[in-house]
Amino acid sequence: EIVLTQSPATLSLSPGERAALSCRASQSVSNYLAWYQQKPGQAPRLLIFDASNRAPGIPARFSGSGSGTDFTLTISSLEPEDFAVYYCQQRSNWPLTFGGGTNIEI
Amino acid sequence: QVQLQQWGAGLLKPSETLSLTCVVYGGSFSVYYWTWIRQPPGKGLEWIGEINHSGSTNYNPSLKSRVTMSLDTSKNQFSLNLTSVTAADTAVYYCVRGRIRTSLRPPYFLHWGQGTLVIVSS
Repeated sequence: EIVLTQSPATLSLSPGERAALSCRASQSVSNYLAWYQQKPGQAPRLLIFDASNRAPGIPARFSGSGSGTDFTLTISSLEPEDFAVYYCQQRSNWPLTFGGGTNIEI
Repeated sequence: QVQLQQWGAGLLKPSETLSLTCVVYGGSFSVYYWTWIRQPPGKGLEWIGEINHSGSTNYNPSLKSRVTMSLDTSKNQFSLNLTSVTAADTAVYYCVRGRIRTSLRPPYFLHWGQGTLVIVSS
């Protein structure tokens, strides 16, 4: 099973600041990595797929990069609605797995 | 517009069987695999397994011995049974649209149900 390690666990930032979240895989997942956003009481929302492609309706301030084992989700300028938990997910191998999450808080 | 609505018992005792059902509106039920994912309170996400329109299943090895998925194509519904539950199975359970049936690779997840909190407590 591929283990995804996200860091940091918590990121304390202010609106307007830039956020950079890391996801590291225990073995190469090529570019088969997605990022999700989850707010309290809601299901996760797909933001980025295949490492760098924005899902439909996702604002341009969200971007993804990386390949192999190291990936980054960048939010260029935080909006108030961006304070949430973010998860990465790999679809390179079965079983698919998720990272433990990064909480972006004010 | 794809919508998934789910229901099932929210409070179980240890050793009982968890049963949840999800109905799919607006999508091509026979084209996709249908998936269950769970999330313990305050923790991350865990893929439980998937089922396609012909009843073919694929389960997470960590849960395989206790999981059964089934479906009713006439109602666009699919179900999850998890036997011998313990407190460790306390989680929000989501039904989710999975991969297209012709794809061999695991999917990303765009369409989710609202989630059902299942608590296991004596």
